[in-house]
Amino acid sequence: AQSVTQPDIHITVSEGASLELRCNYSYGATPYLFWYVQSPGQGLQLLLKYFSGDTLVQGIKGFEAEFKRSQSSFNLRKPSVHWSDAAEYFCAVGFDSGGGADGLTFGKGTHLIIQP
Amino acid sequence: NAGVTQTPKFRVLKTGQSMTLLCAQDMNHEYMYWYRQDPGMGLRLIHYSVGEGTTAKGEVPDGYNVSRLKKQNFLLGLESAAPSQTSVYFCASSYSGPLAFFGQGTRLTVV
Repeated sequence: AQSVTQPDIHITVSEGASLELRCNYSYGATPYLFWYVQSPGQGLQLLLKYFSGDTLVQGIKGFEAEFKRSQSSFNLRKPSVHWSDAAEYFCAVGFDSGGGADGLTFGKGTHLIIQP
Repeated sequence: NAGVTQTPKFRVLKTGQSMTLLCAQDMNHEYMYWYRQDPGMGLRLIHYSVGEGTTAKGEVPDGYNVSRLKKQNFLLGLESAAPSQTSVYFCASSYSGPLAFFGQGTRLTVV
């Protein structure tokens, strides 16, 4: 079974500083990769996704992520964080078994704290 | 465009009570999912459906039942609620492939 590891439970970053959130997956094939963000009391918003092609993907809100097959990683980055980026971030993997039936496997999340 | 709508948004149940959570999507998606979110656990798949009239078990199905009588609706039932089912429940849907759109969640407390 696939698994997703987000090694950092909490990360604190100063406003304006750069950010990198780590995500590693364990899977037999290249999965579909996602990053979601969740603000307190809210649902999940898709930041970006990787299906195939260019391994550097751009998302909303100035985020990007890079897929590295050799490291089984899909790390999320942002060059300069804003206070509004404080939230919970989830990495997820999925597999298209011919119909998307398998659902997504999520990491346990990284809580991002922004210091003024 | 409503997307994925969950009803209710909040609910408090007593142990042993039953309830049904409703998920409705207006995107004509074939696939629908129920997840639960617990602190420090991320989201875990409870049940899913690949089309009208079909359901299947996910990672944590015990204590839950589901039905997909109409394509646009996916119901999650708790027959006899337990405190361990206190959680935030998310519904999601997808047209094909694993890209899923999520509802806003239902916060359920079982006392």
